[in-house]
Amino acid sequence: AQSVTQLDSQVPVFEEAPVELRCNYSSSVSVYLFWYVQYPNQGLQLLLKYLSGSTLVKGINGFEAEFNKSQTSFHLRKPSVHISDTAEYFCAVRRRVNTGFQKLVFGTGTRLLVSP
Amino acid sequence: GAGVSQSPSNKVTEKGKDVELRCDPISGHTALYWYRQRLGQGLEFLIYFQGNSAPDKSGLPSDRFSAERTGESVSTLTIQRTQQEDSAVYLCASSLGAGISPLNTEAFFGQGTRLTVV
Repeated sequence: AQSVTQLDSQVPVFEEAPVELRCNYSSSVSVYLFWYVQYPNQGLQLLLKYLSGSTLVKGINGFEAEFNKSQTSFHLRKPSVHISDTAEYFCAVRRRVNTGFQKLVFGTGTRLLVSP
Repeated sequence: GAGVSQSPSNKVTEKGKDVELRCDPISGHTALYWYRQRLGQGLEFLIYFQGNSAPDKSGLPSDRFSAERTGESVSTLTIQRTQQEDSAVYLCASSLGAGISPLNTEAFFGQGTRLTVV
């Protein structure tokens, strides 16, 4: 079964510092990869997605992620974080099959805590 | 509608009672998903609809859980004889479709229903 691993449950970082949130997935077959953000008391919002093409994907709010097929990773990065980036970040994978897509499978999430 | 709408936003119920959670997907979206998010945990898949049929209901935790969708629109998730372990945020998402087009890949989420069983 498809699985997603987010090794870091919580990442504390100071404002304006760079950050990397790690994500690894289990399957080597054709997959689509996503990062979602959940701000406190809100629903999930798509940050970025990798479907095909360039392995470096840019998303909203200055985030980017790199798809690495050999390492089955899709780490999320931001060169300089803001206090407002404090949120829960979820990595998700969707496996492509001939008839369409399987369900989105989520990791357990990483809480990014940005302090002054 | 403009986004995925879920109601109620909060629900407190007594153990043993039945509850019904509602999801209004984005107009025109044929695929609809239900997820459960327990406190401090990730999203747990429950069930997925394509149109009014459910090709994948593998995540429903027990026969107390059921879901239906009518008119390729509104979906309801019903939990019978609620237990304290059912306490969670229940999230609904919709996407344009489930075919292989990249247009179908993005799922839009509602703000969830926070269920508390006391």
